[in-house]
This record gives sequence, C-alpha cells and structure tokens, in this order.
Amino acid sequence: EAGVTQFPSHSVIEKGQTVTLRCDPISGHDNLYWYRRVMGKEIKFLLHFVKESKQDESGMPNNRFLAERTGGTYSTLKVQPAELEDSGVYFCASSQPPGLALYNEQFFGPGTRLTVL
Amino acid sequence: AQSVTQLGSHVSVSEGALVLLRCNYSSSVPPYLFWYVQYPNQGLQLLLKYTSAATLVKGINGFEAEFKKSETSFHLTKPSAHMSDAAEYFCAVSFMNRDDKIIFGKGTRLHILP
Repeated sequence: EAGVTQFPSHSVIEKGQTVTLRCDPISGHDNLYWYRRVMGKEIKFLLHFVKESKQDESGMPNNRFLAERTGGTYSTLKVQPAELEDSGVYFCASSQPPGLALYNEQFFGPGTRLTVL
Repeated sequence: AQSVTQLGSHVSVSEGALVLLRCNYSSSVPPYLFWYVQYPNQGLQLLLKYTSAATLVKGINGFEAEFKKSETSFHLTKPSAHMSDAAEYFCAVSFMNRDDKIIFGKGTRLHILP
C-alpha cells in the first residue's frame, strides 16, 4: 500500500512568487493534516481536513496560505506571495476515519523542502 | 498551554552504548505521547506511543519509553545503539480527541560513534 506522498520534494522560489505544494494521503484516509518545520524550530501544526472540510485551521500563519482539499482526496497548500520566513519543510499526514481505535495514527509523508530566496 | 521540551538538540553515543533521549511535556489534560523518528530523506515514522494503557511502552527497533506522570516525562531509551539508529527523534503530544493535532518538540539528532 502506498504511503503519503508529497510533491515536489524540493522547491526553490524567489520572494513574491507563488508556490503550490501537493499531498496525496493514504487511500481511504479521511483525515489530512499539514505541518511545517521552520529551520531550527519545532514541527508545527498548520491545519486539519476531515474529507473536504477544514476541521481546524488554527495553525495557519496568515492569509498568504491557502489550503484546499477538493473532493476529499489530495490536498494543496498554496503560498502567495511567498516570503523569506516561509522557508522550511512542509509535512503532510493522514489518518483513518474515527472508529473503535483509541487513537488514529497519523502517517507522515517525506515532506516538501521550500526555500524562498 | 500544552508543550513538549526535548533536552539536547544533539546527542552522541557510542555504538553498543545506552541511548537516552529526554522529553518532558506540559499538559493540563491527560495526554497521548509519542516518539517519532526521521531518517535522512524520509518522512516521520512512529516509533512508539503511549495512550493511557501500560506506562512502559515498547516500540520498533528495540526502543522503549516510560510515561512518568509525576515527572511529566516520557524519555526514550534503547539498551544498545546501532549505527542505523542515527536519525532525528521527535517527542510529541496529542490529546484525548482521537483525531487531534500533534504538538512536537524541537527534535534531537542522535549521532552514533563507531
């Protein structure tokens, strides 16, 4: 079974440009999460989708970030316009729908390394 | 506010020696606790988790961690380090909502000396 995939693996852009990151969750996983790690800091939560709905977007840093999950499958995270401080590694994770399990493990993708020059 | 503190951004141990990575958490409600590992050029992989059952949790690759409520700690140990254990390790916490976000520590990079 394929894991969580993210594209691209690396992206280098100039300040002011737009970048779109994509995440394909594990098939059947209703929950999809975005996290970000800025250099030297901890991995921080950005937002959580349940199917196509945003369940929690409390971690989104500002309105330059737009996340979508049309159709409840893959998700995109657009940064427009990108700033220097947006550089970091963006992780996506997915988990199964709620069931009888005490906790639904989040499975992480390899991340997209974004560099804004 | 909930938080996770990992002591030491870099830890070096000799091959065959004990691995001890320290983690303390702050939480106003009973937490779920995790250790994740990231090998070079790979995603985060769950090593082990504590979800209010046994306080001593065994994970993959010979790692284990003990939940100590009185000390608010969840330290990760392995009796004998292997070269393949070189990676970055993240302690993390989540809460009783089964689908809640994860809060991570800053990570500890483990170096294994031959």
